[in-house]
Amino acid sequence: QSVLTQPPSVSGAPGQRVTISCTGSTSNIGAGYDVHWYQQLPGTAPKLLIYSNNNRPSGVPDRFSGSKSGTSASLAITGLQAEDEADYHCQSYDSSLSGWVFGGGTKLTVL
Amino acid sequence: QLQLQESGPGLVKPSETLSLTCTVSGGSISSSSYYWGWIRQPPGKGLDWIGSVYYSGSTYYNPSLKSRVTISVDTSKNQFSLKLSSVTAADTAVYYCARVIASAGKYFQRWGQGTLVTVSS
Repeated sequence: QSVLTQPPSVSGAPGQRVTISCTGSTSNIGAGYDVHWYQQLPGTAPKLLIYSNNNRPSGVPDRFSGSKSGTSASLAITGLQAEDEADYHCQSYDSSLSGWVFGGGTKLTVL
Repeated sequence: QLQLQESGPGLVKPSETLSLTCTVSGGSISSSSYYWGWIRQPPGKGLDWIGSVYYSGSTYYNPSLKSRVTISVDTSKNQFSLKLSSVTAADTAVYYCARVIASAGKYFQRWGQGTLVTVSS
């Protein structure tokens, strides 16, 4: 049972927009801690995709964006491409656990 | 370009201690801007934070693993290490090391490629 809750799977057709939610609590996202997102392509290590809620590292396309509100956050992917098929993980910090926490991951399928 | 590389046995017997080392190249482990962390991913499951260490040696552990985990740093070798004692089959996972931003963001900025550790007799 992960501290942050994500849907197990989402899907969309090429060119469409999809969103992935990440729900936390008052000890993590709701406490003001930033939310970060990682993309994990099949058989590879996770890669930082969005940091501090809505910032993209150099090299990440602007098709990827993040937002945060209250105890939840979302990752949006527009103009879906086949190469976006991957697992996406959200992550924050939890004051009750005094440590880093992850969501269970969401598998994105491009139809 | 910063690189992290995990190393250690790929097979560990039940009840024994899992030991892994992460070698950092292309950057100093002694920077005050970063923590250094271990994360694992059981087959087909999500990511699980194990613990983090600061270059000074300060450590932070996942409460669910705290009684079995030791993370240490060797600044002279630019390495940090993980020891997980009394392992069971539930500890079978891909283990990743990562550089962690120490600012308010606290995110895993760069990851190693990961190493699969199987617990089996």
